[in-house]
Amino acid sequence: GAVVSQHPSWVICKSGTSVKIECRSLDFQATTMFWYRQFPKQSLMLMATSNEGSKATYEQGVEKDKFLINHASLTLSTLTVTSAHPEDSSFYICSARDFRRSGANVLTFGAGSRLTVL
Amino acid sequence: SQQGEEDPQALSIQEGENATMNCSYKTSINNLQWYRQNSGRGLVHLILIRSNEREKHSGRLRVTLDTSKKSSSLLITASRAADTASYFCATDSRGSNYKLTFGKGTLLTVNP
Repeated sequence: GAVVSQHPSWVICKSGTSVKIECRSLDFQATTMFWYRQFPKQSLMLMATSNEGSKATYEQGVEKDKFLINHASLTLSTLTVTSAHPEDSSFYICSARDFRRSGANVLTFGAGSRLTVL
Repeated sequence: SQQGEEDPQALSIQEGENATMNCSYKTSINNLQWYRQNSGRGLVHLILIRSNEREKHSGRLRVTLDTSKKSSSLLITASRAADTASYFCATDSRGSNYKLTFGKGTLLTVNP
């Protein structure tokens, strides 16, 4: 089945630094990927839709200059948390849809990246 | 606001028992899906039910959908300790541009 690889699985950084998270579709091409944020014991909050070859579409309230998304190829999207602060600590999850495998909107998720900002 | 709201928020049962989780939503949908999340991991798709379907089965999973009540239920039969996870419903609607909206989830604990 469709596989999405997300890296790193966890990262600890100092306040003020930037962190990049990668999301790769391993066996399919993904023109669209989604980035979610999840707080402990809570649901997933959609941050942005990543579109290959064009600008990402951000959800209301998500700072695009804070969370930079680049979808440079059909298999790779990156999320960069710029000038990270402790309040950015969270679990970030990417997902993609393999249009070949399903006519419906079924998403394949990466394993997530836990960011801790000290 | 969250489209899907699951209840209960947490459910603890013994192995072999059945587990039922419910999901309610607010707007018209194209389909409804259930996902599972093990602690600290990504989500795994379990089952999808379309808006014109009322019931669907997959192995030990049974999903129902009542569009008049805007609600769905997920039944896991003969539960196992390995079923311990959080379960989320997710909906997408016309014009949502393939975006899924997730509910708050039910944390299921199956005790051996």
